[in-house]
Amino acid sequence: KQEVTQIPAALSVPEGENLVLNCSFTDSAIYNLQWFRQDPGKGLTSLLLIQSSQREQTSGRLNASLDKSSGRSTLYIAASQPGDSATYLCAVDSGGGADGLTFGKGTHLIIQP
Amino acid sequence: NAGVTQTPKFRVLKTGQSMTLLCAQDMNHEYMYWYRQDPGMGLRLIHYSVGEGTTAKGEVPDGYNVSRLKKQNFLLGLESAAPSQTSVYFCAIVTTNTGELFFGEGSRLTVL
Repeated sequence: KQEVTQIPAALSVPEGENLVLNCSFTDSAIYNLQWFRQDPGKGLTSLLLIQSSQREQTSGRLNASLDKSSGRSTLYIAASQPGDSATYLCAVDSGGGADGLTFGKGTHLIIQP
Repeated sequence: NAGVTQTPKFRVLKTGQSMTLLCAQDMNHEYMYWYRQDPGMGLRLIHYSVGEGTTAKGEVPDGYNVSRLKKQNFLLGLESAAPSQTSVYFCAIVTTNTGELFFGEGSRLTVL
């Protein structure tokens, strides 16, 4: 059974810093990995999707990497802003979408002004 | 949210009551999912569907039933609500071309 772990569970950094969020998974046979953002009381917003054949994806100040062999992904946030404060979740698709994604429990990020 | 709409957004039930959550999509996606999100537990898959007329159990299906009579709609039912079903419920779809998952805005259910 796939298990997804996110470390740290919470992180607080001053505005302007670059930071890295970590995601690890136990079964390297994945179709893709997706990063989401969730604001308090809101739904999940898709940030980046990395297919199993890809090494990284970029969107604006966000860069996600994938190392399937080691079962790891990182989400790099450059020049952090208070508006980046949210919970970030990673999810792994091990079944081609047919049986859903397995989610980590998230990293709660606070960017201090 | 890729055109995924959940109703209702909020609901309070008494133990033993029944209700149905509706997830509607305005595209033609095959795969639809129901997740629940609880503090400290993360997101867990309840049931899913890979096409019209098909449903399957996820990680935590007990106490729930689902139906997908029309491709656009995926219904989640609670026949006899229990306090343990107090949660936030999310519907999601997967896009066929990229496999990207998109969520609805959630339905907050409280069972007293």
